[in-house]
Amino acid sequence: QQQVKQSPQSLIVQKGGISIINCAYENTAFDYFPWYQQFPGKGPALLIAIRPDVSEKKEGRFTISFNKSAKQFSLHIMDSQPGDSATYFCAATNFNKFYFGSGTKLNVKP
Amino acid sequence: DAGIIQSPKHEVTEMGQTVTLRCEPIFGHNFLFWYRDTFVQGLELLSYFRSRSIIDNAGMPTERFSAERPDGSFSTLKIQPAEQGDSAVYVCASRDRWTGKETQYFGPGTRLLVL
Repeated sequence: QQQVKQSPQSLIVQKGGISIINCAYENTAFDYFPWYQQFPGKGPALLIAIRPDVSEKKEGRFTISFNKSAKQFSLHIMDSQPGDSATYFCAATNFNKFYFGSGTKLNVKP
Repeated sequence: DAGIIQSPKHEVTEMGQTVTLRCEPIFGHNFLFWYRDTFVQGLELLSYFRSRSIIDNAGMPTERFSAERPDGSFSTLKIQPAEQGDSAVYVCASRDRWTGKETQYFGPGTRLLVL
């Protein structure tokens, strides 16, 4: 039973466009929601994260929107660049246990 | 500042063989996590350690899987005997006890193929 559902599996965006990746969860005990970026041959690296008492967090071109009532959160990449092409994972955690989404492979076309 | 070192990078083995994967966490990190990425469900937590003690191994799929961290530094994940369904990328992560739980650092993974 997958604790965190992520969509889409893959995404193609033109340079300068907005990339949007969505995640949904069921367990209301989750209290931290990070997003990870992974390049080929590398491990996932923390990109941005949010806590459920906040509805939005922005860091540079990356924004997390969080909807607690709907149990959904999403990653928005503004002005997407070819260098953003990577696999993105959402996650939800309580205590030390991380539950990851299945990943979204983003391809930003030049 | 060395990151997490996982070895081997790739492992090809046959059904019934014993597979041992190794993880060296970032120096001084007290917590160590083993994940499996089957590319279907994303990263799944197999087990994690605080120092040399297993805190949670409920994610281990079967008794064929075992993990150790004998001196609280490096860890090994053993699959004995390996089955074709074990083919996946096994990812190790670690974090310092003094940082927030969100600051897990991930290794590059070991890609296992069981023929």
